[in-house]
Amino acid sequence: DADVTQTPRNRITKTGKRIMLECSQTKGHDRMYWYRQDPGLGLRLIYYSFDVKDINKGEISDGYSVSRQAQAKFSLSLESAIPNQTALYFCATSDRGTGTDEQYFGPGTRLTVT
Amino acid sequence: AQKVTQAQTEISVVEKEDVTLDCVYETRDTTYYLFWYKQPPSGELVFLIRRNSFDEQNEISGRYSWNFQKSTSSFNFTITASQVVDSAVYFCALGAHNAGNMLTFGGGTRLMVKP
Repeated sequence: DADVTQTPRNRITKTGKRIMLECSQTKGHDRMYWYRQDPGLGLRLIYYSFDVKDINKGEISDGYSVSRQAQAKFSLSLESAIPNQTALYFCATSDRGTGTDEQYFGPGTRLTVT
Repeated sequence: AQKVTQAQTEISVVEKEDVTLDCVYETRDTTYYLFWYKQPPSGELVFLIRRNSFDEQNEISGRYSWNFQKSTSSFNFTITASQVVDSAVYFCALGAHNAGNMLTFGGGTRLMVKP
């Protein structure tokens, strides 16, 4: 089984709808991240969480919110989706103990907002 | 502020050619890590290598090699005798201690290896 899972894998939604992307991990890591990928821009950090009570905005948090329901779960919400949020979204985890910042990525969620 | 630049947006080679993907980074931190990830057409991100700022030794792993040069702030990736399966988007990333160990990614280089 995959260590980092994301649901759904693909989603098409309409402008103005609320949508939640979910991420679960079995690696036992305390740190979790949400990124979005746009062509030519690489991955950009939306939110990150160092533990259940520590949630921080990343580079591009506007229009997004997150919830860390448990150490293993980190959800990303779009309260009112807009077309320019069409992107590939990745969840990632890392282990604070190693201090090396190696991040383990989920398979991605392809979101299309029409 | 941290920055990673991958100036080559797309590279096309013929199978068996060698190819080098460039990565230039900027950071004021003295302790940092550099990474390369591969994203094949299936979309997942595959970790390739991590290098810390105190280890400038080059590394070779099969057909892959990495050249880390602090003097030019570069961490270039070479694929020797490229194969069609190497076709992917490759990302370079930087994690700096004083930036809370957040990763900053370059824009990626799309490599196309033709048979």
